[in-house]
Amino acid sequence: GAVVSQHPSRVICKSGTSVKIECRSLDFQATTMFWYRQFPKQSLMLMATSNEGSKATYEQGVEKDKFLINHASLTLSTLTVTSAHPEDSSFYICSARDFDGTDSGANVLTFGAGSRLTVL
Amino acid sequence: AQSVAQPEDQVNVAEGNPLTVKCTYSVSGNPYLFWYVQYPNRGLQFLLKYITGDNLVKGSYGFEAEFNKSQTSFHLKKPSALVSDSALYFCAVRDIGGNTPLVFGKGTRLSVIA
Repeated sequence: GAVVSQHPSRVICKSGTSVKIECRSLDFQATTMFWYRQFPKQSLMLMATSNEGSKATYEQGVEKDKFLINHASLTLSTLTVTSAHPEDSSFYICSARDFDGTDSGANVLTFGAGSRLTVL
Repeated sequence: AQSVAQPEDQVNVAEGNPLTVKCTYSVSGNPYLFWYVQYPNRGLQFLLKYITGDNLVKGSYGFEAEFNKSQTSFHLKKPSALVSDSALYFCAVRDIGGNTPLVFGKGTRLSVIA
């Protein structure tokens, strides 16, 4: 089945530094990937939709200069948290939609294992 | 706007007993409905989905869900719970034909007690 690999799984950084998280679709091509943020005991919040070869689409309230998204190839999207602060500490999860021949809206999202960011 | 409600933060059930995790939804048109499960510090895993056809959908690990259009519900069920089913369960909905992202409920934590 479809596999999405996310790296790193855990990262600790100092306040003010930037952190890059990678999301790769291993056995399929994904023109669209999604980045979510999950707070403790809360649901997933969609941050942005990453489109291969074009600019990401950010959800309302998400700072695009803070959370830089690059989707340079059909199998790789990256999220860079710039000038990270303790309030950016969270669990970040990426996902991709593997086209299964049906309406794309019905396609199953395959999720990465997540990246836990801790900013000191 | 589309939305999902999972009314229970926590569901506790004894091993071997049937379990139900509730989900209701709101969309402007017809829905695509999904259930995902999340284990600690992991991403979400797909369980099952409803697109069209038979209202009873069977998925992974013995789970099933019934689409009820009149009640706008898509409750997740399993006839006999296992301790290993303990996890966080998310219901999600997407409006058919709309170019909208998948919207998740807030999640329900299932604890199966031996």
